[in-house]
Amino acid sequence: RKEVEQDPGPFNVPEGATVAFNCTYSNSASQSFFWYRQDCRKEPKLLMSVYSSGNEDGRFTAQLNRASQYISLLIRDSKLSDSATYLCAVNAAGGFKTIFGAGTRLFVKA
Amino acid sequence: SAVISQKPSRDICQRGTSLTIQCQVDSQVTMMFWYRQQPGQSLTLIATANQGSEATYESGFVIDKFPISRPNLTFSTLTVSNMSPEDSSIYLCSVTPDREGQPQHFGDGTRLSIL
Repeated sequence: RKEVEQDPGPFNVPEGATVAFNCTYSNSASQSFFWYRQDCRKEPKLLMSVYSSGNEDGRFTAQLNRASQYISLLIRDSKLSDSATYLCAVNAAGGFKTIFGAGTRLFVKA
Repeated sequence: SAVISQKPSRDICQRGTSLTIQCQVDSQVTMMFWYRQQPGQSLTLIATANQGSEATYESGFVIDKFPISRPNLTFSTLTVSNMSPEDSSIYLCSVTPDREGQPQHFGDGTRLSIL
């Protein structure tokens, strides 16, 4: 089993739709969680950190479920510019090493 | 977050040759990481490079193939040695603040194609 798993998609949604991605992790000792956005042939860029209480940044909401060992990303009112690959990332406890999921591809169409 | 610059941004190389990629950070960081991302794949950690010590390589990666230097707290190099077409990939350096639990930030990558 991979340490961090994501549905590769692709997710094809119309503009204005709400879309959600899940990411599961295998190490129960994981402490820090992140979502990154990666555009085609570009480097990953941090979208948001994921906190235990959940957090929201505009149209984006991230949540953590420690009991089931998954994190989620919800995008509301999708824009064409949201089309990208979304990577989840997990840090193990006591370390700086980050494990990345393979990414979920999102296409938002007009 | 730190500004991270990589050189070259892209290159096309002949098989059997070697290429050194540079990563420069605008602030001092203890830990730097080198990743590879092959077409359509996710990020694979090659090694962790700490200043003043040997790099720590992940399973499947060896120093002879990917020698790394870390001469100071703002700079690192990764060399891809004796290249073959299978080494065609994007190579990324990243840094993380010197506190646990912080996200990594990436350079803009080096796109490498081997003929």
